[in-house]
Amino acid sequence: AQSVTQLDSQVPVFEEAPVELRCNYSSSVSVYLFWYVQYPNQGLQLLLKYLSGSTLVKGINGFEAEFNKSQTSFHLRKPSVHISDTAEYFCAVSETGGYQKVTFGTGTKLQVIP
Amino acid sequence: ETGVTQTPRHLVMGMTNKKSLKCEQHLGHNAMYWYKQSAKKPLELMFVYSLEERVENNSVPSRFSPECPNSSHLFLHLHTLQPEDSALYLCASSQDVTGGGNTIYFGEGSWLTVV
Repeated sequence: AQSVTQLDSQVPVFEEAPVELRCNYSSSVSVYLFWYVQYPNQGLQLLLKYLSGSTLVKGINGFEAEFNKSQTSFHLRKPSVHISDTAEYFCAVSETGGYQKVTFGTGTKLQVIP
Repeated sequence: ETGVTQTPRHLVMGMTNKKSLKCEQHLGHNAMYWYKQSAKKPLELMFVYSLEERVENNSVPSRFSPECPNSSHLFLHLHTLQPEDSALYLCASSQDVTGGGNTIYFGEGSWLTVV
């Protein structure tokens, strides 16, 4: 079975400061990894995903994430955050091939402080 | 139009009522999903449909009854709910259920309050 851990439930950060949101996963097989963002009163939308190839993945709105297989991590980073980045961020994992079953983490609320 | 549309956005119902949530996707996808989002808990996958056929039912109580009349529409029929069923219900779609790497497209959700 696969699982996702987002240890930080809330991360406050000042505007224009860098941010890292942590995600660790557990799986007995190869995985695909995702970050989704949920803005207030909206559904989730994809920020970026890792399927294969380069371990550094760039997404929308200046976010990027790095897949680290040895540490089973997929941390999300942004060098300079904006007020508009205030949202909840969800890490997710699914096993490669076969049937699509995605497991989501509990989410990290990013609060950008002006 | 947005890719996945859900109605109503807000619903308050008594424990003896019967109501339905509606979802429509305009993306030409083959798979549709219902998720439940509760505070401080991971998203819970409730049901999965592929080409109108249910492929997964994650031990969801029978008071939740899904219906998928075609690949663009998905309903969640609700009856005799409990207060702990109050949550945000998210509909979603993806190109296919297979492969594992498909992006899931979510609707804005239906906020359900059971009183």
